Amino acid sequence: DAGVTQSPTHLIKTRGQQVTLRCSPKSGHDTVSWYQQALGQGPQFIFQYYEEEERQRGNFPDRFSGHQFPNYSSELNVNALLLGDSALYLCASSSRGQGLNEQFFGPGTRLTVL
Amino acid sequence: GEDVEQSLFLSVREGDSSVINCTYTDSSSTYLYWYKQEPGAGLQLLTYIFSNMDMKQDQRLTVLLNKKDKHLSLRIADTQTGDSAIYFCAPGSNDYKLSFGAGTTVTVRA
Repeated sequence: DAGVTQSPTHLIKTRGQQVTLRCSPKSGHDTVSWYQQALGQGPQFIFQYYEEEERQRGNFPDRFSGHQFPNYSSELNVNALLLGDSALYLCASSSRGQGLNEQFFGPGTRLTVL
Repeated sequence: GEDVEQSLFLSVREGDSSVINCTYTDSSSTYLYWYKQEPGAGLQLLTYIFSNMDMKQDQRLTVLLNKKDKHLSLRIADTQTGDSAIYFCAPGSNDYKLSFGAGTTVTVRA
């Protein structure tokens, strides 16, 4: 049983570019949450997708957007990249539909903005 | 929003017990999680406790919750070198949103 997978592992972009990160949840999970973890800090909640809709959003600008597909996988898009967007982006999967409380994280995508 | 406070560093001798403490502000937190993060890696779920419990034991791990004081602790018995990592407590709400502090870096010395 594959856990949470994310792609790519690493990514280097320049300021002003756009990036798309991908996440596949653990088998049987239907909810994907995205987090940003800057160096030396704890993860910060970006947003959460369930039933292909954004259900909650943290304190992030509209440059951060996302999508969830019918197979529950999800994308995180960041437009007009800033140097400060350099971070480890983590996705977490859970199952709201089944009321399961465990939340599992993927290995993350390390984004570097030059 | 939720504030989560942890001590930044903990040094422990191999074989001793480690105790990592956490305080949080949101009394409506329903589940409280502990995650482990090794260098360059994602977060590994260690254990979690429901807010109506005051203790949970899972092999070498013991979680204590004082809901009145909003204080959570994780005890690791017989600490090993493989336990060296950053540990995060993460209070969670019914809508599956987690809040994190800066984490506690645990260093196990021989």
